[in-house]
Amino acid sequence: SQTIHQWPATLVQPVGSPLSLECTVEGTSNPNLYWYRQAAGRGLQLLFYSVGIGQISSEVPQNLSASRPQDRQFILSSKKLLLSDSGFYLCAWNPARDRGMNTEAFFGQGTRLTVV
Amino acid sequence: GENVEQHPSTLSVQEGDSAVIKCTYSDSASNYFPWYKQELGKRPQLIIDIRSNVGEKKDQRIAVTLNKTAKHFSLHITETQPEDSAVYFCAASVYNNNDMRFGAGTRLTVKP
Repeated sequence: SQTIHQWPATLVQPVGSPLSLECTVEGTSNPNLYWYRQAAGRGLQLLFYSVGIGQISSEVPQNLSASRPQDRQFILSSKKLLLSDSGFYLCAWNPARDRGMNTEAFFGQGTRLTVV
Repeated sequence: GENVEQHPSTLSVQEGDSAVIKCTYSDSASNYFPWYKQELGKRPQLIIDIRSNVGEKKDQRIAVTLNKTAKHFSLHITETQPEDSAVYFCAASVYNNNDMRFGAGTRLTVKP
């Protein structure tokens, strides 16, 4: 069966410090990978998605970046955190399209980031 | 790109009553519409989904309807129970496009 791991679960970082959140998927190959951010009381905002190694699509211009160094690894990074980067970050995956139909996305446990 | 609007943002119902959450989407090419439930502090999990070749789908107490012409879809929960209390998200996904766009969420509270 497939599983998704995301860490750390919680993180408190000072303004201006770097960030690295990691997400890995097991039990599947060539998944679509996603990073979402959920601000308090708000919806899920798509930040990045990737359909393959080294392929990253950015949805929101900001000081965050994403990388996919391996097929089942997705990393969210920042060189200098801002207060506004605080939120709940969720990694997700879904299978590569089957017969042209999109499918369910599976979420990691999430990382609650507080920038102080 | 796709834009998904969701209403209401909060919904409070009495146990046993029905709850309806509505979403609209902008891209007529969207063909997959999932609904996720997120309990407090937990990850969103799929509860039901519908594809554009179907108008309605039901799974026990939950059902989803889709109107492609009007570009809106709705979640219906009947005989609500306190454990249905959570935030519900709708989403839409465009054919031949790998991103999935979510609505802003509806916080449902079921009062015993």
